[in-house]
Amino acid sequence: GAVVSQHPSRVICKSGTSVKIECRSLDFQATTMFWYRQFPKKSLMLMATSNEGSKATYEQGVEKDKFLINHASLTLSTLTVTSAHPEDSSFYICSARGQGRNTGELFFGEGSRLTVL
Amino acid sequence: AQKITQTQPGMFVQEKEAVTLDCTYDTSDPSYGLFWYKQPSSGEMIFLIYQGSYDQQNATEGRYSLNFQKARKSANLVISASQLGDSAMYFCAMREGFSWGNTGNQFYFGTGTSLTVIP
Repeated sequence: GAVVSQHPSRVICKSGTSVKIECRSLDFQATTMFWYRQFPKKSLMLMATSNEGSKATYEQGVEKDKFLINHASLTLSTLTVTSAHPEDSSFYICSARGQGRNTGELFFGEGSRLTVL
Repeated sequence: AQKITQTQPGMFVQEKEAVTLDCTYDTSDPSYGLFWYKQPSSGEMIFLIYQGSYDQQNATEGRYSLNFQKARKSANLVISASQLGDSAMYFCAMREGFSWGNTGNQFYFGTGTSLTVIP
């Protein structure tokens, strides 16, 4: 089956620093990738939708300048949390749509747990 | 209005018994897809089953089946013969306007149901 890999799986950083999370589709081309944030014991919150080669579409309430999303190729999207603060600590998950698949299913990365000290 | 509603924050089931996880959805789009995902404690999201709005039959995948009642706008997940490894969070999701080759529409997720399988 299709595989989506996220890296790093865990990251701890100091307040004020920036952290980059990568999302890669390993065996298929993903024209669209989604970034989610999950709070403890709560549902996934869609942050933004990124299409290869164009600007990401952010959901209402998500700070574009804080959560920078780049989708430079058909297999890679990155989320950069800029000037991270403790309230940014969360579980971030990406997903990619399998190109050519008729179910429209999403393939999720393993998630990245960010802890900001 | 909530696009996806999961009313059961937590469920318990005895091992080897069947369990139904509820999901209702709201859409005016005649074309949509319904999905169930499992999220174990590791955090990854595992795709379980899919039901298209035009599918005539309920979807089944091994021990998972989807009880699709279109008029009621419900898409309940049924897990038969529960196993200890089934303990996890389960999310129902919907994608509107689905059609072959459609690449743009986002998913809406429910708040999830935490399932605990008791030995």
